[in-house]
Amino acid sequence: DTGVSQDPRHKITKRGQNVTFRCDPISEHNRLYWYRQTLGQGPEFLTYFQNEAQLEKSRLLSDRFSAERPKGSFSTLEIQRTEQGDSAMYLCASSLEIRTGGTEAFFGQGTRLTVV
Amino acid sequence: AQTVTQSQPEMSVQEAETVTLSCTYDTSENNYYLFWYKQPPSRQMILVIRQEAYKQQNATENRFSVNFQKAAKSFSLKISDSQLGDTAMYFCAFMKQWGNTPLVFGKGTRLSVIA
Repeated sequence: DTGVSQDPRHKITKRGQNVTFRCDPISEHNRLYWYRQTLGQGPEFLTYFQNEAQLEKSRLLSDRFSAERPKGSFSTLEIQRTEQGDSAMYLCASSLEIRTGGTEAFFGQGTRLTVV
Repeated sequence: AQTVTQSQPEMSVQEAETVTLSCTYDTSENNYYLFWYKQPPSRQMILVIRQEAYKQQNATENRFSVNFQKAAKSFSLKISDSQLGDTAMYFCAFMKQWGNTPLVFGKGTRLSVIA
């Protein structure tokens, strides 16, 4: 296992189209996070999963966004009816939650979305 | 809610010199972790160093060290003997030790190492 992988690396879509991104976390990690990062800014939290359960969603995650993590393995983030404001880098990270507390998150290379 | 503040949007340092990046945070928690992440241009984010709040000793990783002041809620990163490869965005991040909470990031500091 070489780390967190994200697919695709780049996506260009027309406004109004739907897009789906995939994240494969480090295999033993039970937590999976989605963040959005715009140019020159820090990552903004979108949502995260503990195993297959979606535990928290940011208010940034409008009704057009949905995330799943079936069977607690890979995760998908779908954006419906994309808008130009959705253009950003979408980062996935995973970590291991253990009985003594959480551990550091490992990040994927991100999916850069451009909505034209 | 926790917040992380990085007050230096950009910094530069001469190669081989030392630079310190600042970070402050706000929390009512007593048990938490603090991190510095590095994001080189067009590359993925990687962990630089981690500090557990219950540890009084400052974390060190080779040329990277932190100055953790729990009472002041300050967590600065010192990079010694700066190298050109240290050029990157640096993000300070906070995470509660317990509970269902994600990492909270600051807005980052863009560090340029000049030859």
